[in-house]
Amino acid sequence: AQKVTQAQTEISVVEKEDVTLDCVYETRDTTYYLFWYKQPPSGELVFLIRRNSFDEQNEISGRYSWNFQKSTSSFNFTITASQVVDSAVYFCALSEVTGNTPLVFGKGTRLSVIA
Amino acid sequence: ETGVTQTPRHLVMGMTNKKSLKCEQHLGHNAMYWYKQSAKKPLELMFVYNFKEQTENNSVPSRFSPECPNSSHLFLHLHTLQPEDSALYLCASSQDALVGTSGTETQYFGPGTRLLVL
Repeated sequence: AQKVTQAQTEISVVEKEDVTLDCVYETRDTTYYLFWYKQPPSGELVFLIRRNSFDEQNEISGRYSWNFQKSTSSFNFTITASQVVDSAVYFCALSEVTGNTPLVFGKGTRLSVIA
Repeated sequence: ETGVTQTPRHLVMGMTNKKSLKCEQHLGHNAMYWYKQSAKKPLELMFVYNFKEQTENNSVPSRFSPECPNSSHLFLHLHTLQPEDSALYLCASSQDALVGTSGTETQYFGPGTRLLVL
């Protein structure tokens, strides 16, 4: 069965520090999608990235970057030069294409960026 | 971005009340979802609708009754809830949700309804 583990429950950093949020997944499917969402205090989940299992290129979007390592089943998320507005709960999620299962979320990592 | 809206944002109800949550998406999507987010638990998928047809019901108790009159609107009717049903209820939409692959499309979420059952 598919599973997503976000081992870091809470992280606190000082503004301008870099921070990496870990995501480890389990799946028997060879074709799958990985996602990251941000949930600020307002409650809405904001989509950040969708990556399919055949695309192992790392991605950078502004201060955000993602490191996809199939060999270790990880899809880690790094925020460079963190800002107070980055404070939120971040969720990693997995969906199998042939597994006939819906999107499965990790428990989330609460990031607090202190000014 | 107000692609997916939900009302009300907050709701307090007694166990004998009947209430409804409303979700509307303005993204031209064909699929809509209800999720439950409880404290210290992963998001739980409740229902999936694709082109107004329910394609998934994740063993949700019958006190939760979804309704999808069209691809843009989704309701969750609540009756005789329990205190443990208190949670944040999130609605989402995606382009499609074909049976068996409902999780592969990117889902866009609303702000949620925070429900408290007394």
